[in-house]
Amino acid sequence: NAGVTQTPKFQVLKTGQSMTLQCAQDMNHEYMSWYRQDPGMGLRLIHYSVGAGITDQGEVPNGYNVSRSTTEDFPLRLLSAAPSQTSVYFCASSQRRGLRRTDTQYFGPGTRLTVL
Amino acid sequence: GNSVTQMEGPVTLSEEAFLTINCTYTATGYPSLFWYVQYPGEGLQLLLKATKADDKGSNKGFEATYRKETTSFHLEKGSVQVSDSAVYFCALSVSIGYALNFGKGTSLLVTP
Repeated sequence: NAGVTQTPKFQVLKTGQSMTLQCAQDMNHEYMSWYRQDPGMGLRLIHYSVGAGITDQGEVPNGYNVSRSTTEDFPLRLLSAAPSQTSVYFCASSQRRGLRRTDTQYFGPGTRLTVL
Repeated sequence: GNSVTQMEGPVTLSEEAFLTINCTYTATGYPSLFWYVQYPGEGLQLLLKATKADDKGSNKGFEATYRKETTSFHLEKGSVQVSDSAVYFCALSVSIGYALNFGKGTSLLVTP
């Protein structure tokens, strides 16, 4: 298994440009999520999905869109990039355990995004 | 709301020293607790976890005990190595469909 993969590893954008960060997992996990990591802030949840066709907002969703058309893929879209979106982005996935718990979250290697 | 507070870094220790990184939490319901580690230039890896009160998670010489009475999940290691230099994140998860709430991370530097 490749686990959680993310592309690209690095990206530089100009203000106002759009792009999609790709995330895929081959573990048949129901739950997927996107975080951003900023210095001194830890990781903050952007959006998450509990299964194909179902998404919801996390702590910092503004400026980002997501969709989940398949179990494997969970892309993150920036429609009009802003310098405040300069960050490292991590995708994660996990399996459901019983009715009320999720299992360990597995993280991708990250995408380092710079918006000029 | 749910939140995690962990000690500020950076923490600098000599090799073979004892390590404690404090973590306390606030949560509704019955959270699961985690420690993740991030080595330079890499993503996060699960270090250990505990899913109910009094559980002890352990891995690679690291330990943490889920203390409900003090709402704490402190990370300890008896003898650190240079290779343990990394950023350590405490996190919790309280309900299905909600992802992890992370602390801000504690940077550890171990010197020879």
